[in-house]
Amino acid sequence: SQQGEEDPQALSIQEGENATMNCSYKTSINNLQWYRQNSGRGLVHLILIRSNEREKHSGRLRVTLDTSKKSSSLLITASRAADTASYFCATVSMFSGGYNKLIFGAGTRLAVHP
Amino acid sequence: DVKVTQSSRYLVKRTGEKVFLECVQDMDHENMFWYRQDPGLGLRLIYFSYDVKMKEKGDIPEGYSVSREKKERFSLILESASTNQTSMYLCASSSGPRTYGYTFGSGTRLTVV
Repeated sequence: SQQGEEDPQALSIQEGENATMNCSYKTSINNLQWYRQNSGRGLVHLILIRSNEREKHSGRLRVTLDTSKKSSSLLITASRAADTASYFCATVSMFSGGYNKLIFGAGTRLAVHP
Repeated sequence: DVKVTQSSRYLVKRTGEKVFLECVQDMDHENMFWYRQDPGLGLRLIYFSYDVKMKEKGDIPEGYSVSREKKERFSLILESASTNQTSMYLCASSSGPRTYGYTFGSGTRLTVV
């Protein structure tokens, strides 16, 4: 079951431009996380934003969270060709037995052209 | 540098074979997870473990089993591989009772012929 759904599915931009990816989710969350995946590789954790936070920064990354709209956005500023990858949002939901688990969306494929 | 290591990057197996995918983490994490990733379907949770010898079914456990005899090692077992199990398999680990950032392995691309 997918909790987060990213939008757009694919994004193509030029180096130096900003890239914005959006994520919508369905149920209440404890936190929301963004991951990056280079082609054919594992995922790398980028940033975590808690449900009581509205914005968070890490280097060229800026994440916002709007719990009233059940949505989040990831902004990559001054993009580089090396930012080309797929980006996933993931939300924490309660699993049976009281355990937490991450549920991932289908991802946004970002292509940054030199 | 903390690591999650998956034993194989690419694997080709025949239908009906028993397949073992191994995952080892060196971070002393309590929690370990197996996902499969397919185009258009994202990552789907197969099994997870919150402690040694403990396992819980994820969203798609059918056709799979797992083993966690030691804290650092979490194995995914395909009892009788089928072509619909051709996929990218990703192992991950995390620490603590709540879910913080996961650390992923590089993945194993399994092809069943």
